[in-house]
Amino acid sequence: DGGITQSPKYLFRKEGQNVTLSCEQNLNHDAMYWYRQDPGQGLRLIYYSQIVNDFQKGDIAEGYSVSREKKESFPLTVTSAQKNPTAFYLCASSTTGDAIKPQHFGDGTRLSIL
Amino acid sequence: QQPVQSPQAVILREGEDAVINCSSSKALYSVHWYRQKHGEAPVFLMILLKGGEQKGHEKISASFNEKKQQSSLYLTASQLSYSGTYFCGTGESGGSNYKLTFGKGTLLTVNP
Repeated sequence: DGGITQSPKYLFRKEGQNVTLSCEQNLNHDAMYWYRQDPGQGLRLIYYSQIVNDFQKGDIAEGYSVSREKKESFPLTVTSAQKNPTAFYLCASSTTGDAIKPQHFGDGTRLSIL
Repeated sequence: QQPVQSPQAVILREGEDAVINCSSSKALYSVHWYRQKHGEAPVFLMILLKGGEQKGHEKISASFNEKKQQSSLYLTASQLSYSGTYFCGTGESGGSNYKLTFGKGTLLTVNP
């Protein structure tokens, strides 16, 4: 079955460490997104990509980086510059990169500070 | 700026109805609705694209008033499975056409 796979499910980061969250989709979708979810805050957009080799900053991009070298993959790196990284991270994709298509979400990665 | 959802939380008994509202300060051309169970991924419910449009999904329907920049989600004869957090996501006219801005969510609890 097609879908979005995020890994790992749980991740722990030490102070000063960069960590990378994986997101892979086999839906043949052009657009992919990364959201951060904190309790009571809803989903906030970190980065999004409409096509391969192109991506744009979302509302809270500081302290994060992404790459889009393959259509299926959109990894997110949480850098040491992100001082409050503890959150639930969700990856999503849609057929095209406009806001009129449904977004399909992965099961998320829960990141915590050690 | 995030759209404002109301109420923040609602508790129902099975079979009762509920309305969840989503209001934006921006001109909108699309509104999405998603439901998320605790610890799980959000699941798509529906998209509304035109002013005054209404759509239905089983016993869940929604309306979109483009002029008022508002959308409402209607849940009728609620079932236990309707419990979860409901999010609206808005696509803004004139802004980036490639992203949604989500509200903070409405926690719906349906009790037996």
